[in-house]
Amino acid sequence: QVQLVESGGGVVQPGGSLRLSCAASGFTFSNYGIHWVRQAPGKGLEWVAFIRSDGSTRYYASSVKGRFTISRDNSKNTLYLQMDSLRAEDTAVYYCARKKNSDWILSFLDYWGRGALVTVSS
Amino acid sequence: QSVLTQPPSISAAPGQKVTISCSGSSSNIGNNYVSWYQQFPGTAPRVLISETNKRPSGIPDRFSGSKSGTSATLGITGLQTGDEADYYCGTWDNSLSAWVFGGGTKLTVL
Repeated sequence: QVQLVESGGGVVQPGGSLRLSCAASGFTFSNYGIHWVRQAPGKGLEWVAFIRSDGSTRYYASSVKGRFTISRDNSKNTLYLQMDSLRAEDTAVYYCARKKNSDWILSFLDYWGRGALVTVSS
Repeated sequence: QSVLTQPPSISAAPGQKVTISCSGSSSNIGNNYVSWYQQFPGTAPRVLISETNKRPSGIPDRFSGSKSGTSATLGITGLQTGDEADYYCGTWDNSLSAWVFGGGTKLTVL
């Protein structure tokens, strides 16, 4: 069955860095684009970034552009999110989610991981 | 401020029907399909409706989706206490080159 498992969360000081991983199994990872979505405590869902199946295209939310980098290693079936210059407002549960359908018009997020908590605090 | 606008909360009695609206623009809902996500406290979201009105396997037909112009609607009939959750709409925004979510609607079944 399809599984996405996030890891690498933790507590980091403002201005620090952290790298999240998302290990995929149960499907051909290299065939799918993957999103990162976050949820601050008590708040709604906020899309963070997306990477195409072959890594050739990446999109970012304006709130993280220039600070976060999404990448993937298809040989390891793993997605990454490198987070630099972290701020208190980046505190959230971070989910990876698979993009279904290659055409953006039809696409949706069909499988989600359980999430990894990132806390930015001094 | 979310790109897609949803009512923050809605409530209804068991057995009744509710609709949750999601308002956008021509750069998102107006030209793309909409999906809906259900999230229970402390758990990951799951897709409830895809491609505006399709139900993934395992989702009961009490849940339905529709779209008109730049607005979409999630309908839930025969409300059950187990439907109490947060509901989010989502779609791609062509102008932003970004995935966008609504702010979420908290459903309370009284």
